[in-house]
Amino acid sequence: DQQVKQNSPSLSVQEGRISILNCDYTNSMFDYFLWYKKYPAEGPTFLISISSIKDKNEDGRFTVFLNKSAKHLSLHIVPSQPGDSAVYFCAASAFGGGADGLTFGKGTHLIIQP
Amino acid sequence: DAEITQSPRHKITETGRQVTLACHQTWNHNNMFWYRQDLGHGLRLIHYSYGVQDTNKGEVSDGYSVSRSNTEDLPLTLESAASSQTSVYFCASSDGGGGENIQYFGAGTRLSVL
Repeated sequence: DQQVKQNSPSLSVQEGRISILNCDYTNSMFDYFLWYKKYPAEGPTFLISISSIKDKNEDGRFTVFLNKSAKHLSLHIVPSQPGDSAVYFCAASAFGGGADGLTFGKGTHLIIQP
Repeated sequence: DAEITQSPRHKITETGRQVTLACHQTWNHNNMFWYRQDLGHGLRLIHYSYGVQDTNKGEVSDGYSVSRSNTEDLPLTLESAASSQTSVYFCASSDGGGGENIQYFGAGTRLSVL
């Protein structure tokens, strides 16, 4: 049973426009959420995170929104750039600063069109 | 610069053979993790460790083992490789403090079991 779901396997966005990647989760114990970006033949790289006590976190062009009641989070990239083309993974963790492993979604392949 | 390295990057082996994948980090992180990535599954947790002499099973631990004899290394062993273990394997580490669980990943090992 998938606890973290990314329902869009791929997303195509024009350069300069906003990219919105969505993620849903089912486990109410999750209290920390992360987005990772992955290029082919490389490991995932950390992008941005959000704690369940917040509903928004911003870092440059990247903003993550969390809606706890809907168990939904989204990553906004504005403006989208060609280098943003990659696979984006949503991940969740229970028990905050603990050392437990992350639960990942299947990923969304973002393609930025010139 | 601190980093996390995996070796080898590519490995081909035969069914029934024992295989060990290496993971070495220089961040002095207490927490280390092994994941596998397969098409249609995202990343799934195999084993993790909170520190020296500590190991724990993850979601897909059958057929795998780990040992932690020092802070820097967490080797992953496939006792008797099976074709179902053909995958890309990622090692990660985290400090785990401050209410965050940001994990930093290596570049991965692509393993083919023939």
